[in-house]
Amino acid sequence: DAGVIQSPRHEVTEMGQEVTLRCKPISGHNSLFWYRQTMMRGLELLIYFNNNVPIDDSGMPEDRFSAKMPNASFSTLKIQPSEPRDSAVYFCASSLTSGRAKGYEQYFGPGTRLTVT
Amino acid sequence: AQSVTQLGSHVSVSEGALVLLRCNYSSSVPPYLFWYVQYPNQGLQLLLKYTSAATLVKGINDFEAEFKKSETSFHLTKPSAHMSDAAEYFCAGAYGSGNTGKLIFGQGTTLQVKP
Repeated sequence: DAGVIQSPRHEVTEMGQEVTLRCKPISGHNSLFWYRQTMMRGLELLIYFNNNVPIDDSGMPEDRFSAKMPNASFSTLKIQPSEPRDSAVYFCASSLTSGRAKGYEQYFGPGTRLTVT
Repeated sequence: AQSVTQLGSHVSVSEGALVLLRCNYSSSVPPYLFWYVQYPNQGLQLLLKYTSAATLVKGINDFEAEFKKSETSFHLTKPSAHMSDAAEYFCAGAYGSGNTGKLIFGQGTTLQVKP
């Protein structure tokens, strides 16, 4: 399997611009997670989906952040408008949480490094 | 509240020395437990996981962890540190029946390996 795929790997944008991060989970996985990692705050869970349904978005910092999962193989995290404090590495992860093969371990993508100037 | 605590945000060892990274969980019901490693500029990579099948779990790169219910601990060890082990390590737990997959992560421990 190709693993979790994220795009772009790097994004540099100006304050006020819209940013869209993309994630393709591992095929067959039914849970998807968006994290943010910074030196100051460490690893933070932003939102997660189970069977394409958002379960918990309490980690989304502001209304400027939104996430969608239109189908089992694709998710987006959007920031509009972006601000310099949004600069961070954003990770997507997926896991299998149902069925006989469930294990709950999450597999992480390589991350998107976002810089907002 | 359910939590995972890693004792020590930074651990420094000499090459060839024993590595011990500490993790404690809070729960009367043992969760699924995991150790992850993050090398610089990379995503988190699963090192090993505990699922109640065995209390001593072996992972990649000679790492292992022992589940001790009496101590609510899941410490990570490696007999002999290598320079390439320098990274950040995270302990995590999945709690509860019907869990939709959310992991509770510890704060992370940065391992430094000195030559």
